[in-house]
Amino acid sequence: GENVEQHPSTLSVQEGDSAVIKCTYSDSASNYFPWYKQELGKRPQLIIDIRSNVGEKKDQRIAVTLNKTAKHFSLHITETQPEDSAVYFCAASTGTGTASKLTFGTGTRLQVTL
Amino acid sequence: NAGVTQTPKFQVLKTGQSMTLQCAQDMNHEYMSWYRQDPGMGLRLIHYSVGAGITDQGEVPNGYNVSRSTTEDFPLRLLSAAPSQTSVYFCASSHKLLGLNEQFFGPGTRLTVL
Repeated sequence: GENVEQHPSTLSVQEGDSAVIKCTYSDSASNYFPWYKQELGKRPQLIIDIRSNVGEKKDQRIAVTLNKTAKHFSLHITETQPEDSAVYFCAASTGTGTASKLTFGTGTRLQVTL
Repeated sequence: NAGVTQTPKFQVLKTGQSMTLQCAQDMNHEYMSWYRQDPGMGLRLIHYSVGAGITDQGEVPNGYNVSRSTTEDFPLRLLSAAPSQTSVYFCASSHKLLGLNEQFFGPGTRLTVL
């Protein structure tokens, strides 16, 4: 099955700096790569996703890049703010429709300090 | 819309007891899933359903049963609770056109088994 590795497990940045979280996946058939943000005590929420036919996607201060050859994808957060502090999960999915399943990484705890 | 709802929010069980975690969604989503979240292990898929009357196993199904008699409800049953089932449980739903990929999560149930 699919295996997703995520690094680092914790990340501390100063407000205004950039943060980068990296994930690798094992199944070359994976075709969908979402990122979820989970604030303390809350539910995970989708913040951005990318599909295998796209190399980069941006939404305001967050962006995701995908390198299918190397089987890795990354989340980039620019101009970090205290409200960006949370746990971020990457995931990879193979298949479509009834055949699709999400495999999650183990999470990165991002701390944005003032 | 209430989205995805889960009850109870917290539960303490003794080893060997049984219970059902409730999950409901009002978005008319065909796909529903159960995940467990443990520290350092991300979110792991327990069971999922692609429609009423259809269920399948995920990554960690042992010790759990599910059924899907209606589109709205997807209860998770623990037949004989064990301390290893202490975890936070999230139910999620998604639209069939997106498969299991874009998940909407419920608020979670924190379960402790003594």
